[in-house]
Amino acid sequence: NFMLTQPHSVSASSGKTVTISCTRSSGSIASNYVHWYQQRPGSAPIIVIYVDNQRPSGVPDRFSGSIDSSSNSASLTISGLKAEDEADYYCQSYDSTTPVVFGGGTKLTVL
Amino acid sequence: QVTLRESGPALVKPTQTLTLTCTFSGFSLSTSGMCVSWIRQPPGKALEWLALIDWDDEKYYNTSLKTRLTISSGTSKNQVVLTMTNMDPVDTATYYCARGSSRTFDSWGQGTLVTVSS
Repeated sequence: NFMLTQPHSVSASSGKTVTISCTRSSGSIASNYVHWYQQRPGSAPIIVIYVDNQRPSGVPDRFSGSIDSSSNSASLTISGLKAEDEADYYCQSYDSTTPVVFGGGTKLTVL
Repeated sequence: QVTLRESGPALVKPTQTLTLTCTFSGFSLSTSGMCVSWIRQPPGKALEWLALIDWDDEKYYNTSLKTRLTISSGTSKNQVVLTMTNMDPVDTATYYCARGSSRTFDSWGQGTLVTVSS
């Protein structure tokens, strides 16, 4: 088993760029895809990045994902921040024995 | 269009067994690579994965809850059922079902709040 660790909260001003990290505790971050979900208050999560860096249709290109093997982490970057981006964000991955692992979530505040 | 809807009791008593049904449309669980998962979220807390059933009927469980969970295909081909035994107030949460394709959860139900209280 492994864990995915995210910062509890991040904040940035409207129009700026913010990055949320997701660090894998054991095993290589590059071994299994990482996905990112956005959850607004009172709503179910929606996927914003899948297979490390792909955006589903309808997700603005302000959202991007990446993997850094040197830090064994994945990152979600949101540029040109808007008030509507304020939400909780969760990373998710898996391995051969555990099909689903979620990170602890990060609360994004847009100032 | 893929849709999922969770149904079940809103209130259960401690020690009782919870049975939730996920009714879905717009896809077939028998399609290679497909899965349906149950995920819960206590009020104000993070998502917690519970169980998953794969297209080939392979089942997986959260190791810390494994002894209490059972996931199965329902009597209807478009349903997945989760049972959780010995419910406790700490199990109070919104329970979601989600469709997965190669472990990417691209469609979620709206969730159902289950409160455990005597």
